[in-house]
Amino acid sequence: KQEVTQIPAALSVPEGENLVLNCSFTDSAIYNLQWFRQDPGKGLTSLLLIQSSQREQTSGRLNASLDKSSGRSTLYIAASQPGDSATYLCAALNFGNEKLTFGTGTRLTIIP
Amino acid sequence: DGGITQSPKYLFRKEGQNVTLSCEQNLNHDAMYWYRQDPGQGLRLIYYSQIVNDFQKGDIAEGYSVSREKKESFPLTVTSAQKNPTAFYLCASSSWTGGDEQFFGPGTRLTVL
Repeated sequence: KQEVTQIPAALSVPEGENLVLNCSFTDSAIYNLQWFRQDPGKGLTSLLLIQSSQREQTSGRLNASLDKSSGRSTLYIAASQPGDSATYLCAALNFGNEKLTFGTGTRLTIIP
Repeated sequence: DGGITQSPKYLFRKEGQNVTLSCEQNLNHDAMYWYRQDPGQGLRLIYYSQIVNDFQKGDIAEGYSVSREKKESFPLTVTSAQKNPTAFYLCASSSWTGGDEQFFGPGTRLTVL
């Protein structure tokens, strides 16, 4: 059974700094891994999706990497801004499975 | 604009009542999903549907029911059998199950009085 872990549960960073959010998974036979952002009381916004054949994906100031052998994915945020404050969730989809397995998220606060 | 809508945004239920949460998408997606989110826990899958007139139980289906009569609609009923229904409910869709990116609606917060 796939388990997805995100540590730390909360992170505070001064504005302008680069930062890395971590996501670990126990079963490396993943089809893809997806990163989401969730603002308080809102739905999830898809940020990046990495297929199992890819090593990374980029969108603007965001870069997500995937290392299946170590069971890790990272989300890199460059030049952080207060508007980046939110909870970030990762979710893994395994081969032969129709459902995502979610981590519990990292709550990010960017300090102005 | 293409997207997923959920209604209502807030819902209050008395104990013993059934309530239905609405989810509509105009993305022409075949697959739709219902998740439940509780504080400190990851999203948990309640039900999913790969195609019209078909749906499958997820990890926590007890006390819930769904229907998929139209491609764009996937309503969720929270029955009185659900012992702890207070939670944030999220609907999602994707082009197909098993690999495509999932897109989420804004959610419905259900509170049992």
